[in-house]
Amino acid sequence: ELKVEQNPLFLSMQEGKNYTIYCNYSTTSDRLYWYRQDPGKSLESLFVLLSNGAVKQEGRLMASLDTKARLSTLHITAAVHDLSATYFCAVGLSGGGADGLTFGKGTHLIIQP
Amino acid sequence: EPEVTQTPSHQVTQMGQEVILRCVPISNHLYFYWYRQILGQKVEFLVSFYNNEISEKSEIFDDQFSVERPDGSNFTLKIRSTKLEDSAMYFCASSVLDLTDTQYFGPGTRLTVL
Repeated sequence: ELKVEQNPLFLSMQEGKNYTIYCNYSTTSDRLYWYRQDPGKSLESLFVLLSNGAVKQEGRLMASLDTKARLSTLHITAAVHDLSATYFCAVGLSGGGADGLTFGKGTHLIIQP
Repeated sequence: EPEVTQTPSHQVTQMGQEVILRCVPISNHLYFYWYRQILGQKVEFLVSFYNNEISEKSEIFDDQFSVERPDGSNFTLKIRSTKLEDSAMYFCASSVLDLTDTQYFGPGTRLTVL
């Protein structure tokens, strides 16, 4: 059974600070996704990481993947209040479409002024 | 920008009743999914659907659940006899077979079973 673990599950930080969210998974996978969810809203795709060493950046967010360690990180640089949300990592196994994703429990991020 | 739509946004039903949740996937997408999220918990995969048949299903997707693509645009999830523990947000998603297989999620239907 594929397990996906995120930590921390809850993070309160101040604007301007840097922090990293970690996502570990238990089985070899060729695709790792990061999603953002605002309260009461749907999931917004942030990043897709497909290979070992992959790094993607969008604004103050940067995601990386280490397939050997089965670890992905989401790094927040100089956090701003608008980044407050819950961030989920999700792992797909087989590829080729119709692949159900296994999600982590999510990291609830609060960024305070 | 194309998006996945879902109706209704909120459904309240009595225990034991049947409900049908509706989704319109992005028009050129071929793969369709249902997930649920119990309040405050993680998102759980229910079922995936391709070429008019189920591709994959989780342990949650038992005999009380069924999916259908009744026409060229809609994708439905039916819960035959709802239970209290079926109360959750149900998300539909769709994807197209490309390098990333990114799944795009709809806004969700909040199902409340009384």
